[in-house]
Amino acid sequence: SQQGEEDPQALSIQEGENATMNCSYKTSINNLQWYRQNSGRGLVHLILIRSNEREKHSGRLRVTLDTSKKSSSLLITASRAADTASYFCATDAGLAGGTSYGKLTFGQGTILTVHP
Amino acid sequence: GAGVSQSPRYKVAKRGQDVALRCDPISGHVSLFWYQQALGQGPEFLTYFQNEAQLDKSGLPSDRFFAERPEGSVSTLKIQRTQQEDSAVYLCASSPRSRSYEQYFGPGTRLTVT
Repeated sequence: SQQGEEDPQALSIQEGENATMNCSYKTSINNLQWYRQNSGRGLVHLILIRSNEREKHSGRLRVTLDTSKKSSSLLITASRAADTASYFCATDAGLAGGTSYGKLTFGQGTILTVHP
Repeated sequence: GAGVSQSPRYKVAKRGQDVALRCDPISGHVSLFWYQQALGQGPEFLTYFQNEAQLDKSGLPSDRFFAERPEGSVSTLKIQRTQQEDSAVYLCASSPRSRSYEQYFGPGTRLTVT
């Protein structure tokens, strides 16, 4: 079953605008990851944020994590048409004792469309 | 370098047929995962291998689903007596370590059961 909710389900913006996607989850986590999926292609890893981190940057991506609210957000700045894709958050709940082998539980995704 | 490859990319099966889906992970990757992605949904975990050992098969939906990775590299997901609800994209992912890390996904096999 899906771990949680992502919103919005769909987002349509113009090139150059920022896009923000949110993810909520239900259980405590080891880390949270964001993936992108283009039509007809596999999932591509974007960024991983650990449970003891609050914010992380990678290029035009900024991810925040609030473990008290069990939520995360992904911000894409200065969006491009090539950013058009589905974006998924995925949580790793870990195993007893704090270890993990990486089993991921995905959200339902946000479909982002960036118009040129 | 080569990424994760999966074959076939598309498979149409008649209800009741058996199918076998292949995954070639990135060379040397210890961890291998299978996920099932229904249309419009996020992937759902099926099973996990660490080298040749299947350590977690909690996501397999029924005993018609079977996965193996006999030599710790190539993996096969087999579905027996396919049903229409098995129609989905089956994704394979590999990871270089046996602990949580980013996963490298293949392009998937789209299975359609008619």
